Amino acid sequence: EPEVTQTPSHQVTQMGQEVILRCVPISNHLYFYWYRQILGQKVEFLVSFYNNEISEKSEIFDDQFSVERPDGSNFTLKIRSTKLEDSAMYFCASSAWTSLGNEQFFGPGTRLTVL
Amino acid sequence: KQEVTQIPAALSVPEGENLVLNCSFTDSAIYNLQWFRQDPGKGLTSLLLIQSSQREQTSGRLNASLDKSSGRSTLYIAASQPGDSATYLCAVSYGNKLVFGAGTILRVKS
Repeated sequence: EPEVTQTPSHQVTQMGQEVILRCVPISNHLYFYWYRQILGQKVEFLVSFYNNEISEKSEIFDDQFSVERPDGSNFTLKIRSTKLEDSAMYFCASSAWTSLGNEQFFGPGTRLTVL
Repeated sequence: KQEVTQIPAALSVPEGENLVLNCSFTDSAIYNLQWFRQDPGKGLTSLLLIQSSQREQTSGRLNASLDKSSGRSTLYIAASQPGDSATYLCAVSYGNKLVFGAGTILRVKS
């Protein structure tokens, strides 16, 4: 069964460093998303992406964040200058709008630890 | 503000029991609603999607209902098993984004 994959599974970085989180969405999906979950808190929406542009973003998704689809298969989230409060599990998701709805499928997540 | 609340926060039941998890949302202008399962330290597994025009959706031992006008959904799990132990998340779709509840932690005792 097709699935969303994410790399790395765990990333440790120093405060102020740039990180890039990578995702490979399900191949026939056209809508891509990033969410994050700080330990013990709710899953929070960051950004949605369609047709090579951001379709919606949350207040969390400030100028430190960017997303890109550099080729036909990868979808990346870049954090330019990481802060301690960026430590969280980051989930990528993808979906295909159909007559059955817009079911989002999630990857296993990347645990980001900022020291 | 779009908020999703799940009750109870935690539930412990003996194996074989039927159970109901509750979800409520403040903004009824939804596209659809998804129920997910999350195992500790793992990703989210989609269990059911129920469209805003539907009243209910079934998959195996799971049944989800939706009352959009009152802002409520329930997830019914029949004949619970120890393998059902996990956190169950309700997520409401407002177009491009899902808004999540905090989840119900379910423990099924053998």
